Amino acid sequence: GAVVSQHPSWVICKSGTSVKIECRSLDFQATTMFWYRQFPKQSLMLMATSNEGSKATYEQGVEKDKFLINHASLTLSTLTVTSAHPEDSSFYICSARVGPAATNEKLFFGSGTQLSVL
Amino acid sequence: GENVEQHPSTLSVQEGDSAVIKCTYSDSASNYFPWYKQELGKRPQLIIDIRSNVGEKKDQRIAVTLNKTAKHFSLHITETQPEDSAVYFCAASIKTGRRALTFGSGTRLQVQP
Repeated sequence: GAVVSQHPSWVICKSGTSVKIECRSLDFQATTMFWYRQFPKQSLMLMATSNEGSKATYEQGVEKDKFLINHASLTLSTLTVTSAHPEDSSFYICSARVGPAATNEKLFFGSGTQLSVL
Repeated sequence: GENVEQHPSTLSVQEGDSAVIKCTYSDSASNYFPWYKQELGKRPQLIIDIRSNVGEKKDQRIAVTLNKTAKHFSLHITETQPEDSAVYFCAASIKTGRRALTFGSGTRLQVQP
């Protein structure tokens, strides 16, 4: 299957710093990527939909100035958590659709990033 | 938007028994229903999916049923094994288009050897 690479897999940072998470489609072009957040023992909550070459679409309640998403190429989307605080500590995971048909049937996930803010 | 509810939140079965996880969805426009398995700290892996024009789909020990009228779908795992222990998520969405998957709250399945 298609491979979605996400880095870093874990990061520890001090409160007030910014953290960038990368999501790459290694062997396909992804016009649409999704960013999810997952708290321990909870479900995946959609944060935003990232479309190549255009602004991301954020879900209600997600601060777009706090969680900056850039999808500058067909193989890379980045999520930057700005001025991170302990409440931003979470598991962040991206997913990408394979192929131009924009179908959820071909959706692959990155390996996730565990962010811990001290 | 879509809302997906999943039950139970935890499920413990003996090895060899069957496990059933149930989900309901709210948006009648949804036509694609995948199930994902997630091990601790790992990425979700698609294990089976079903489209709304099909009532049942089976893949070895795993099967999914869909009742479109009642807007609910279920995952059935037969002859459970310890390696089936994980968190299982159902999801719903429209197969194509911009809408992302909406996930259920997850079921932690524990298979006791």
